[in-house]
Amino acid sequence: GNSVTQMEGPVTLSEEAFLTINCTYTATGYPSLFWYVQYPGEGLQLLLKATKADDKGSNKGFEATYRKETTSFHLEKGSVQVSDSAVYFCALSYAGNNRKLIWGLGTSLAVNP
Amino acid sequence: EAGVVQSPRYKIIEKKQPVAFWCNPISGHNTLYWYLQNLGQGPELLIRYENEEAVDDSQLPKDRFSAERLKGVDSTLKIQPAELGDSAVYLCASSLGEGQHNEQFFGPGTRLTVL
Repeated sequence: GNSVTQMEGPVTLSEEAFLTINCTYTATGYPSLFWYVQYPGEGLQLLLKATKADDKGSNKGFEATYRKETTSFHLEKGSVQVSDSAVYFCALSYAGNNRKLIWGLGTSLAVNP
Repeated sequence: EAGVVQSPRYKIIEKKQPVAFWCNPISGHNTLYWYLQNLGQGPELLIRYENEEAVDDSQLPKDRFSAERLKGVDSTLKIQPAELGDSAVYLCASSLGEGQHNEQFFGPGTRLTVL
């Protein structure tokens, strides 16, 4: 079946450190891939997305590349800030499952000054 | 542009009581979703509407949960009676049109506590 696996948290970094949150997926067909972010006390927001292989999504300094050969969509940021502290969710969707979003369990990130 | 609006933000009830959550999607978004999110987990889809039609309610526990979107705009999710295990955050989301690439916009959620 379709699934998303992301690295377990919590992840704790110092400000300006490099961030990688791993995400791998299992899906039939060609899914779209997403990273959503949930800041404390707020709803989920789309951070970035990629809709086909080798696409790179980017936003707010975050990047992720759709790697079909490794079925991965790892989230990266070169220099994190305290304001990036949040929970990050990797997700996929494709038309074959009625466009349901299949979610990872989320990775909590805490950035210390 | 206003985002997805949900109310109330917080609700505390005793078990066996009824509870209702309301959602107003982004104007023009014909697809509306209700999710349940437990602490430390990703959202789980309860029901999806295309306009006023519930096109996917396979995960909705129909013995106690019900939902409606009568005019294809705002929606209400109800639980009757509530159980202790229903304590969670209930999220509403909306998107424009169909197609797997459509971004879903989420409301802030309603945090339900059942005592």
